[in-house]
This record gives sequence, C-alpha cells and structure tokens, in this order.
Amino acid sequence: DGGITQSPKYLFRKEGQNVTLSCEQNLNHDAMYWYRQDPGQGLRLIYYSQIVNDFQKGDIAEGYSVSREKKESFPLTVTSAQKNPTAFYLCASSPTGGSGANVLTFGAGSRLTVL
Amino acid sequence: GQNIDQPTEMTATEGAIVQINCTYQTSGFNGLFWYQQHAGEAPTFLSYNVLDGLEEKGRFSSFLSRSKGYSYLLLKELQMKDSASYLCAVMDSNYQLIWGAGTKLIIKP
Repeated sequence: DGGITQSPKYLFRKEGQNVTLSCEQNLNHDAMYWYRQDPGQGLRLIYYSQIVNDFQKGDIAEGYSVSREKKESFPLTVTSAQKNPTAFYLCASSPTGGSGANVLTFGAGSRLTVL
Repeated sequence: GQNIDQPTEMTATEGAIVQINCTYQTSGFNGLFWYQQHAGEAPTFLSYNVLDGLEEKGRFSSFLSRSKGYSYLLLKELQMKDSASYLCAVMDSNYQLIWGAGTKLIIKP
C-alpha cells in the first residue's frame, strides 16, 4: 500500500544536539511538506518542496534544515539553533503543489522531546 | 493577518448530529479543507469545498459560504470512533494552507 513513513515515532534529544527526522513516500507525489504541531495551535509550515533538489522556507524555518535529493525522501534536521524544538512533527505529500484541490497525505508523525 | 477560528472543544452524544464551525479571514481563497485527526495520529482528509454550498459524503457533510468567510462540518449518526480533532484549513491566494487550531470532539455514550 502506498503511503508516507516517518521515523522515528518518538525521539529524545539533549540540548545542543542536532537530530534528523526521516520521511519517505511511495505515492509518487511531487510535493512534500514538513509541519510542526503544538497544542492549541494550527499546523505551521516549516519547509516544503515541489520538485527534487528544490525547497522553500515556510513560516517557521529558522533552526531547521531539509534536503530533497530523491523524490521519495524529504528528511528534516532540527538543529541546536531551534530554541523550542519539543513538538509533534508531521510530514506530508501531495501530487503537486500550487493548485486548489491539493489534498495532503500525512505520515504518522514524529514526537520530539528535548531533555 | 490571516486567521482561522474554530471552537476548541465540543461534546456530543453517540447517535446525534454535531456541527463544527470554521470562520476565516485570509488573503484570497482557493478552497477550504477539513481533516480528521485522532490523538497522536496523522490527519486524514475529509472534504474540500471551493464553491458555495453543501458537499455530502456519507455521514459527513461540509458547507461553504465564501461571502461570509464561513464553513461548517456536519457529522450525523455519531459513533464513538468519531471522537477526534477536526482541522479546518484554507488555501490562500498563494496556494499556501492556513490551518485552524482544530476542534476536539468528544463523543459520549
């Protein structure tokens, strides 16, 4: 079955460490996204990519980095520069970006806790 | 600024009907989405409205009024498995999604 796989599901990090969250999709979708979800807030866009080897900053990109070397993969690195990284991170994909009926398929999420 | 408003929490009874409202102020409009998210899980797509009116899909219906900046999600014949958060999102003129904080729906027997 096609879908999006995020790993790890739970991750603990010490302050000052970088961590990388994995996101792999086998839906043949062109566009991929990373969102952050905090209690009481809407999803906030960190980074998105519409094609391989290209990505754009979202609303809260500071302290994060991404790469898109393959269509299937869009890993997110949470760097030590991110001041408040404890959150639930969601990866999503869609057939194309920049169109109206752009339904997102989400992964199951990765919960990062900074100790 | 851009804003999506939804009630934080609602409670309903199994077998009943519930309406979850969403109001929005955005820079342009290219459609409104509803997603369902069970606790700790991935959001899943429920509905998409771009024209005014009601879209029905089984027990779930979604309504849109663009002139009022208003939508609602109507859930009929509520089941315990409908206990979840319901997320409203609007696609703005730049095709970026603006998300509401979600409405947590609690179903009681």
